[in-house]
Amino acid sequence: DADVTQTPRNRITKTGKRIMLECSQTKGHDRMYWYRQDPGLGLRLIYYSFDVKDINKGEISDGYSVSRQAQAKFSLSLESAIPNQTALYFCATSDLTGRGTQYFGPGTRLLVL
Amino acid sequence: GQSLEQPSEVTAVEGAIVQINCTYQTSGFYGLSWYQQHDGGAPTFLSYNALDGLEETGRFSSFLSRSDSYGYLLLQELQMKDSASYFCAVNNQGGKLIFGQGTELSVKP
Repeated sequence: DADVTQTPRNRITKTGKRIMLECSQTKGHDRMYWYRQDPGLGLRLIYYSFDVKDINKGEISDGYSVSRQAQAKFSLSLESAIPNQTALYFCATSDLTGRGTQYFGPGTRLLVL
Repeated sequence: GQSLEQPSEVTAVEGAIVQINCTYQTSGFYGLSWYQQHDGGAPTFLSYNALDGLEETGRFSSFLSRSDSYGYLLLQELQMKDSASYFCAVNNQGGKLIFGQGTELSVKP
């Protein structure tokens, strides 16, 4: 089984709808991250959490919210989806060593019409 | 501001050696990582440099010069399966990464 899983893998929604993307991990890591990827723009950090009680905004948090339900679960919500949130979304985890090793989930392709 | 610069595309032939450069300007710096991504799949970790010098892992090596805010990824004995996007990323807050925009490597027969 994969260490980091994301659901759904693909989603089409309409402008104004609320949508939640879920991430689960079995690596036992405290740190979790949400990124979005747009063509030619690399990965940009939306939110990150260094433990269950710690939530921090990344560089592009506007329009998004997150919930850290447990050490293993980190959800990303779009309260009112808009077309420019169409992107590939990745969840990632890392351990406490502070090194640059993050483990990514398979991604969620989101299309907002 | 914070920025990382890397070439957008590189092309090389099978069996050759290719170097992908990365320069960075960030408010904090703990180390430089490299990731590989195939066709929109999950990025996978390749290497990490916290100190100046060369790190070697099989066919891949990574170099860092902190004084020059510069690093590179060196891929030797290129194979077709190495065709992918490669991202450098600065670790600027104990595990939080800032990614470059990626370099698309095409390996030709």
